[in-house]
Formats: sequence, C-alpha cells, structure tokens
Amino acid sequence: DADVTQTPRNRITKTGKRIMLECSQTKGHDRMYWYRQDPGLGLRLIYYSFDVKDINKGEISDGYSVSRQAQAKFSLSLESAIPNQTALYFCATGAVRGNTDTQYFGPGTRLTVL
Amino acid sequence: EDQVTQSPEALRLQEGESSSLNCSYTVSGLRGLFWYRQDPGKGPEFLFTLYSAGEEKEKERLKATLTKKESFLHITAPKPEDSATYLCAVQASNTGKLIFGQGTTLQVKP
Repeated sequence: DADVTQTPRNRITKTGKRIMLECSQTKGHDRMYWYRQDPGLGLRLIYYSFDVKDINKGEISDGYSVSRQAQAKFSLSLESAIPNQTALYFCATGAVRGNTDTQYFGPGTRLTVL
Repeated sequence: EDQVTQSPEALRLQEGESSSLNCSYTVSGLRGLFWYRQDPGKGPEFLFTLYSAGEEKEKERLKATLTKKESFLHITAPKPEDSATYLCAVQASNTGKLIFGQGTTLQVKP
C-alpha cells in the first residue's frame, strides 16, 4: 500500500464550485504539506502543518484553506474554484532529522477548473 | 532572495552516455539540498539529501555531489528507464521551507 494517498486522483469542476482534496499517510510523520505544480513554475507551497494544532500559510495560500483532521489526514479546500487553480496538486509528509526534514510526496491530484 | 536554478532544462542522451545535471543555488544558510525524480503524472520520488559541501551520495547509476554554490547529479551509463524529470530543492535555514528548481527533463534513448 502507498504511504501517502491522495483522493481524488482526477477532478474536473466548474468555476465557483467548492472542492476538497484529501491526503492520508501511514508514514507516521507529524509534518504535512500541500503543493501545486504548474508547467514552467515548478512546485509551490500552499500550506503546511507541523502537527495537528499547527497550520501555516505557504507562498500561494490565497483562495485555499486546509484542515488537519488528525496526524494522518490533511485536506485542502478551494472555497470557490477558478480556472487559474487548474494544476497538479501534491500532498507531502516530512520526516525530521535534526533541523531538516525530508519530504515524501503522494501521487497527486489533477484538478481542472472549467 | 533564496533561489534554485537547474540546467539544462532538457537533456537527451544515448543509452550508456554518461552526463551530469546541475543545480545552482543561493540561500541564506543551507539546511539541506534534496534531489527528486518525477515521472510524468506522478509525485516526486525522493532520491538524496546532502547536508554539507563535499558530501556525496550514490544510488545505482546516480551520484549526487554538493559544493557551497551548486550540486551535480551524475548519471553513469544511463538506461532508458532513467528517463524522467529530476528536481533539485534546497531547505533554507531562515524559513525551513523547500525551494524547488524548475527541473531537468532527461530522455535516454536505446
């Protein structure tokens, strides 16, 4: 079984709809992250959480919100989807060693907003 | 400003033709430099973490090295299955966040 799972894997929606992307992990890591990937722009951090009670904004958090329901679950919401949120979305977990953490990524969700 | 630049953007090799991918970085205090492999439509797969200049890590045909300004991913005698996009990222001391480069897309032809 995959250590980091994301649902759904593909989603097509319309402008203005609310969307939730879910992430679950069995790695036992406290840290979890949400990224989006766009051609030519690379991976950009949306939100991150170092434990259940800790939520932090990344570089592109506008238009997104998150919920850390448990150590193993971290969901990303688009309250009112717009076309420029069409992208590949990745969840990641972080394994801490000293003052660094190595991040392990899920398989991604391809989101299309029409 | 913390920044990561990878070159070349794309690289085509014949099977068995060794080469290197470059990752140049500027960061205010390096906590770690990471290499990932990403296949089309899939999530990045962790390869290596390098923590200090002079460090080297190896895995099969891949070897990563680190200096104070750049990292190289050396690919020795590549095979078609090594075809993928290779991503470099740095973790800065001041923010702790990962900053990714744009990636190098490698194609190895049989």
